[in-house]
Amino acid sequence: AAGVIQSPRHLIKEKRETATLKCYPIPRHDTVYWYQQGPGQDPQFLISFYEKMQSDKGSIPDRFSAQQFSDYHSELNMSSLELGDSALYFCASSRSGNIQYFGAGTRLSVL
Amino acid sequence: EDKVVQSPLSLVVHEGDTVTLNCSYEVTNFRSLLWYKQEKKAPTFLFMLTSSGIEKKSGRLSSILDKKELSSILNITATQTGDSAIYLCAHQETSGSRLTFGEGTQLTVNP
Repeated sequence: AAGVIQSPRHLIKEKRETATLKCYPIPRHDTVYWYQQGPGQDPQFLISFYEKMQSDKGSIPDRFSAQQFSDYHSELNMSSLELGDSALYFCASSRSGNIQYFGAGTRLSVL
Repeated sequence: EDKVVQSPLSLVVHEGDTVTLNCSYEVTNFRSLLWYKQEKKAPTFLFMLTSSGIEKKSGRLSSILDKKELSSILNITATQTGDSAIYLCAHQETSGSRLTFGEGTQLTVNP
């Protein structure tokens, strides 16, 4: 069965650079969620989209923005990267608000 | 603010043992509680529990919600080394809403 696809799997950036993370939801899923997981921490909700509209916003810094496109894939854009942004970024998708299925994540390292 | 608390935070057992992981929640509006297993990658879905109180089972794993005690347990019988992982409990307030995670229980199963 198709799963949530995230790219890239690993990303290394310098401070103050920008990064773009991509997420391709499971086919026919209409909602995408982004979570950030720091080392030894539980995932923290950032933002979600339902049918290409932002549906909820969590603790997402103003330096970050995201959108969902017409093909339902989503991108998380991160600017002015800081050391503290180093984390595992998960995307999850669901259909009609049901169970969220997670992608393998993008590990971002900011040096 | 919704709160999900898991215990114990870590647990070391031998193969063949039975373990019980706990999750308690203090939330404004309860809809469902989800259990995920996280190895060195994405959280994988295990169970979704609602206020119906129906026990969920899958092989050696089972889980049930106690509405009165505002808690849930995840049981794993005849543990195997492959069960070693972080087990995450998460609350979902409404259909399509964010997940609020507990800190997770790190389970280690030794041969």
